[in-house]
Amino acid sequence: GQQLNQSPQSMFIQEGEDVSMNCTSSSIFNTWLWYKQDPGEGPVLLIALYKAGELTSNGRLTAQFGITRKDSFLNISASIPSDVGIYFCAGRSETGTASKLTFGTGTRLQVTL
Amino acid sequence: GAVVSQHPSRVICKSGTSVKIECRSLDFQATTMFWYRQFPKKSLMLMATSNEGSKATYEQGVEKDKFLINHASLTLSTLTVTSAHPEDSSFYICSASLGLAGVYEQFFGPGTRLTVL
Repeated sequence: GQQLNQSPQSMFIQEGEDVSMNCTSSSIFNTWLWYKQDPGEGPVLLIALYKAGELTSNGRLTAQFGITRKDSFLNISASIPSDVGIYFCAGRSETGTASKLTFGTGTRLQVTL
Repeated sequence: GAVVSQHPSRVICKSGTSVKIECRSLDFQATTMFWYRQFPKKSLMLMATSNEGSKATYEQGVEKDKFLINHASLTLSTLTVTSAHPEDSSFYICSASLGLAGVYEQFFGPGTRLTVL
């Protein structure tokens, strides 16, 4: 099935640094979501974006829905060790229904002290 | 709120046996549940979408006779891997959605790790 391309694939950063990752698609999505997955666990929803151009924050996390509706980015400010994990973007093309998501390839984040 | 559980969390079985995985929405009624499969260091791949009381919709390439899905109530969906083989070993994750107007997001279970010997 289709997947969204995420970059970078992985990153090592030091505690306190800011992190930026993005997600691109060849097709349009009407909803963009960002999830975090810890090892051996299911994904947890971090941020949901519903309008093109929308910029939404959740604590140290900020995400934006690209104007073209084909991309999104996630920023994490002042990273801490518990930010370690895999971050997935997900897009939904249909509106108004509990329709299926397309997941990105993931960005693995590792934070060093 | 919006807690989803899965049982078992991990299972090891012999080749040829069938394994049932349960997905429950604990504090809400889920009109739609989704089943995903995830290989190590890979993304989540949707296997099927199930709506309560109706047949599941399978993604292309997913064998419906191999992966039986039952969504008998608004809080329970089951995935049965029939005649499991080593290549079916994977991390299976379910998600549940309220499906109400304006509340469509999927809440994920903790996953079930299946190992077929």
